Amino acid sequence: KTQVEQSPQSLVVRQGENCVLQCNYSVTPDNHLRWFKQDTGKGLVSLTVLVHENDKTSNGRYSATLDKDAKHSTLHITATLLDDTATYICVVGDRGSALGRLHFGAGTQLIVIP
Amino acid sequence: DMKVTQMPRYLIKRMGENVLLECGQDMSHETMYWYRQDPGLGLQLIYISYDVDSNSEGDIPKGYRVSRKKREHFSLILDSAKTNQTSVYFCASTRGRTAETLYFGSGTRLTVL
Repeated sequence: KTQVEQSPQSLVVRQGENCVLQCNYSVTPDNHLRWFKQDTGKGLVSLTVLVHENDKTSNGRYSATLDKDAKHSTLHITATLLDDTATYICVVGDRGSALGRLHFGAGTQLIVIP
Repeated sequence: DMKVTQMPRYLIKRMGENVLLECGQDMSHETMYWYRQDPGLGLQLIYISYDVDSNSEGDIPKGYRVSRKKREHFSLILDSAKTNQTSVYFCASTRGRTAETLYFGSGTRLTVL
């Protein structure tokens, strides 16, 4: 059973628009949550890590929130660029060490058009 | 330069042939992983290695084995490849003690005919 669900599955926005990607999960315990960006044919690149209840992080035009009570995270991308076209993957870790498991979502495919 | 390097990038094999996928990292990370990524699915863990000769099965180890004789190298071996092992394989590494940044390689796209 999928423990990390991402929505939407795909999204098309115009350059300059903002967008929000959602991640809902059922992983327990939920030690931390990461967002990755995966360009087509490339590996995953970490955007941010959220650890605490109601954590908020910001990394340039990317910002993320985590609500551990609701087991929900959002990734906001402001003023999108063509280079933001990629798959964004939500990953939940059940422990804070390598002994834990990482649970991957299937990703949201974002396409930014001119 | 912190990097995880995978070789080869693309590989085509016939069913029944042996396959060797190589992964290297230059960060002296203790923990390394092998994942496979299939369309519509999240990455699935094949094997995890906590250090040299300290390997554990992941969620889908059947049909795979691994070797880690040096901290910087982690190999994935398919003995007698099957068509359902056609996938993109990713190697990753982390320092291993806390929820630190995970570094991924660029992947190997394996096709088994």
